Amino acid sequence: AQSVTQLGSHVSVSEGALVLLRCNYSSSVPPYLFWYVQYPNQGLQLLLKYTSAATLVKGINGFEAEFKKSETSFHLTKPSAHMSDAAEYFCAVSYSGGGADGLTFGKGTHLIIQP
Amino acid sequence: KAGVTQTPRYLIKTRGQQVTLSCSPISGHRSVSWYQQTPGQGLQFLFEYFSETQRNKGNFPGRFSGRQFSNSRSEMNVSTLELGDSALYLCASSLGGFLVAKNIQYFGAGTRLSVL
Repeated sequence: AQSVTQLGSHVSVSEGALVLLRCNYSSSVPPYLFWYVQYPNQGLQLLLKYTSAATLVKGINGFEAEFKKSETSFHLTKPSAHMSDAAEYFCAVSYSGGGADGLTFGKGTHLIIQP
Repeated sequence: KAGVTQTPRYLIKTRGQQVTLSCSPISGHRSVSWYQQTPGQGLQFLFEYFSETQRNKGNFPGRFSGRQFSNSRSEMNVSTLELGDSALYLCASSLGGFLVAKNIQYFGAGTRLSVL
C-alpha cells in the first residue's frame, strides 16, 4: 500500500524567505509523485510532477522538488516566498503498476506568508 | 480549452436525502475520478471511470455511486445522506489509458455539500 506523509500541517515563512514543504512517501514500487496547490474555494492545481525522469523537477510559480529515493522524500522548495504563495499544498503519490488507482494524498500543509 | 466543470458549486441537503453531482471533463479526456475532501480525513479517492466503466473504487460505502456517459461526463450520487457526508467533492479528469498513474489529473473547483 502506498502512503504520503507531509510533515507540518502549518508552515509559516516571511516574505522573501525560503519555502520548504516536506513530503515523504511509502510505496512498494517506483512511485509517481505530484505536488498540488489549493487556494481557498478552488480545486487543486498541479505544481509539478515526478515520473522517473530527472530527479530535480521544476514546476510553476518558481517551485521545484527533488526526488530522493534513498530518503523516500519529495520535498517542495521555493527560494523566495511571495504573499501570493499562501495556500494549502498537497503531496500525492501514485504508482507505476498500471491500472486506475487514484492518487493518494498527504494531509496537506497550510503555507502562511508573513509580511 | 475549457477546464473541468463541476455543478452545482454549493448544495444543502438534509439527512436521508440523496444528491447527484455532475462533472464535465476537459475535452478529449476519457478518465474521470472523484475525491472527497474533509478537514478530518483530507482528500480521499472515491472512484474512477474510463469509457463508461468504473475501473477502481476507494473505501467508501455503497451509498456512494457514480456513472459516466458516452461523452465522458460523469455524475456522482450519494443516497441516504449522513451528516458526515458534508464535504467538498472534487472531480478530476485525465487522458486515461494504460499506465494511467503518470497521467496528470486536472481538478475542478468542486461541489461543496452541506448535510443538515
